[in-house]
Amino acid sequence: DSGVTQTPKHLITATGQRVTLRCSPRSGDLSVYWYQQSLDQGLQFLIQYYNGEERAKGNILERFSAQQFPDLHSELNLSSLELGDSALYFCASSVGGHPGNEKLFFGSGTQLSVL
Amino acid sequence: SQQGEEDPQALSIQEGENATMNCSYKTSINNLQWYRQNSGRGLVHLILIRSNEREKHSGRLRVTLDTSKKSSSLLITASRAADTASYFCATDRGATNKLIFGTGTLLAVQP
Repeated sequence: DSGVTQTPKHLITATGQRVTLRCSPRSGDLSVYWYQQSLDQGLQFLIQYYNGEERAKGNILERFSAQQFPDLHSELNLSSLELGDSALYFCASSVGGHPGNEKLFFGSGTQLSVL
Repeated sequence: SQQGEEDPQALSIQEGENATMNCSYKTSINNLQWYRQNSGRGLVHLILIRSNEREKHSGRLRVTLDTSKKSSSLLITASRAADTASYFCATDRGATNKLIFGTGTLLAVQP
């Protein structure tokens, strides 16, 4: 158990809909990262928050948004969903704000299926 | 976009054999990490090697880093069926604060 909690584990929805994925980091970790994993794109970095502030941005679509709350949990909002958004979405956390220098702890992921 | 590419894409060996996976990357890095992912589960950190290190060991794992060739290798010795998983290298690119994962090697260890 990594200590990172993601909910829900599975999500099935229709095109055009909006969903929210939730992540609770390990106790004491200030950084939260979101990654998307699909067969054709591999593991793609979406966005990082550190202590409530956006720290780094990756290949995140404009239809997607995220935030980190004062209690450090994070939410990833996906809107106007398309078939191609179907993927496994991971949240990870780390103590500091520099992922290259420290280990990331991953949650078990949310499997999103857009039908 | 992928910073690293693992080679081979897939590897099948017998229990007890050694497994070697390679990672090549494109731009200069500060550090390189290896992660393991069991089927459909979250990634687990294995080892971090800094750009000024050439080799690092952790249990049955041996990682090498050659910054002149922009490549790293992960050696798993005396493999076990439980080592069956996908292995990813991950790098940070210079001053950016992003940890980018490679394409992964799928390792199957036959009992």
